[in-house]
Amino acid sequence: AQSVTQPDIHITVSEGASLELRCNYSYGATPYLFWYVQSPGQGLQLLLKYFSGDTLVQGIKGFEAEFKRSQSSFNLRKPSVHWSDAAEYFCAVGAKPGGGADGLTFGKGTHLIIQP
Amino acid sequence: KAGVTQTPRYLIKTRGQQVTLSCSPISGHRSVSWYQQTPGQGLQFLFEYFSETQRNKGNFPGRFSGRQFSNSRSEMNVSTLELGDSALYLCASSPNNFGGAQETQYFGPGTRLLVL
Repeated sequence: AQSVTQPDIHITVSEGASLELRCNYSYGATPYLFWYVQSPGQGLQLLLKYFSGDTLVQGIKGFEAEFKRSQSSFNLRKPSVHWSDAAEYFCAVGAKPGGGADGLTFGKGTHLIIQP
Repeated sequence: KAGVTQTPRYLIKTRGQQVTLSCSPISGHRSVSWYQQTPGQGLQFLFEYFSETQRNKGNFPGRFSGRQFSNSRSEMNVSTLELGDSALYLCASSPNNFGGAQETQYFGPGTRLLVL
């Protein structure tokens, strides 16, 4: 069964500082990997996704993530955070086509706090 | 193009009652998935519908059911509500058959259900 681990429940970063949110996955084949962001009282917004090809993917709002197969990781990064980035961040993994679509498996989320 | 819409946004029910939640996918999207989000369990996949057929179901009791109409709108029903069913229920739509190389799930704002 596939699984996603986000080791950090909370992260506090100063505004303007760099950010890295960790994500480790467990999946038998090459996964589809996603990062979503959720602001209070809102649904999930897709930041970026990895399906294949270049292992460094660019997303919206200045975010990027790097797929590292050897480490089973898909960490999210941003060079300089803004106060508006404060939110809950979810890493998710999905099945490849033909292997059955069991929906997305999400990590527990990382709550990002921005200090002024 | 309008996003995924969910109605109602908030709902209060009492134990033993049943509830129906509605989801309208993005125009042209044929796949609709439902997720339950709780503080304890996080985001969990409920089921997925494609062309009016339930193709996948998560690990939830039979009290949770759903359906999809010919216009791709979907409803989920929870019968005999329990306190533990209090959650944010999220609907997500994707164009065809989630798992394809270009597929992405777009989430609605959710329906927050409180069971008293």
